[in-house]
Amino acid sequence: DADVTQTPRNRITKTGKRIMLECSQTKGHDRMYWYRQDPGLGLRLIYYSFDVKDINKGEISDGYSVSRQAQAKFSLSLESAIPNQTALYFCATSDEFQETQYFGPGTRLLVL
Amino acid sequence: SQKIEQNSEALNIQEGKTATLTCNYTNYSPAYLQWYRQDPGRGPVFLLLIRENEKEKRKERLKVTFDTTLKQSLFHITASQPADSATYLCALETAGNQFYFGTGTSLTVIP
Repeated sequence: DADVTQTPRNRITKTGKRIMLECSQTKGHDRMYWYRQDPGLGLRLIYYSFDVKDINKGEISDGYSVSRQAQAKFSLSLESAIPNQTALYFCATSDEFQETQYFGPGTRLLVL
Repeated sequence: SQKIEQNSEALNIQEGKTATLTCNYTNYSPAYLQWYRQDPGRGPVFLLLIRENEKEKRKERLKVTFDTTLKQSLFHITASQPADSATYLCALETAGNQFYFGTGTSLTVIP
């Protein structure tokens, strides 16, 4: 969905490196989410934010941090990447009624 | 523990038939249940939502049922087409405004 963009789309990094994944949206939604997707485990929620001043941990937040720089921008950081953080990462947005989530195209991350 | 289970095996059906996908959950109290479609290398795309007080919802060739007693949702695609081939994800939204996704079912519609 072009309304939700993620950068980079692909990234290879080494163990111990800091990496930031960025998400931008033009839908005007207050709510934004970060998920990771692993084969056989499905999508799992890492962090979510209901507005610029509201950040919440999801199911698997350990090893990750986030920053909500503006309504339209929500970044995910891996302070010290490890191989088991290799996954497909998705950003999503929703409005206050949350009847649907709109997903970005994903970032494929490989940690060596 | 909390769990969301979808058909563990890939589903292959003939074009024109009805595909039925299952989503079972345990230890959740969902306010909503949603179905998404995901194509390879793409993000999930929303298809349908059904609320806890609704039994059935339809949209074109799609139908979703929701049985909170059985803790199960069924997703039907009637008159299936090869273009319906994708992975389908169910997702629960709890009263705490968090989303929990199943692992997905891969559907292939054979011409």
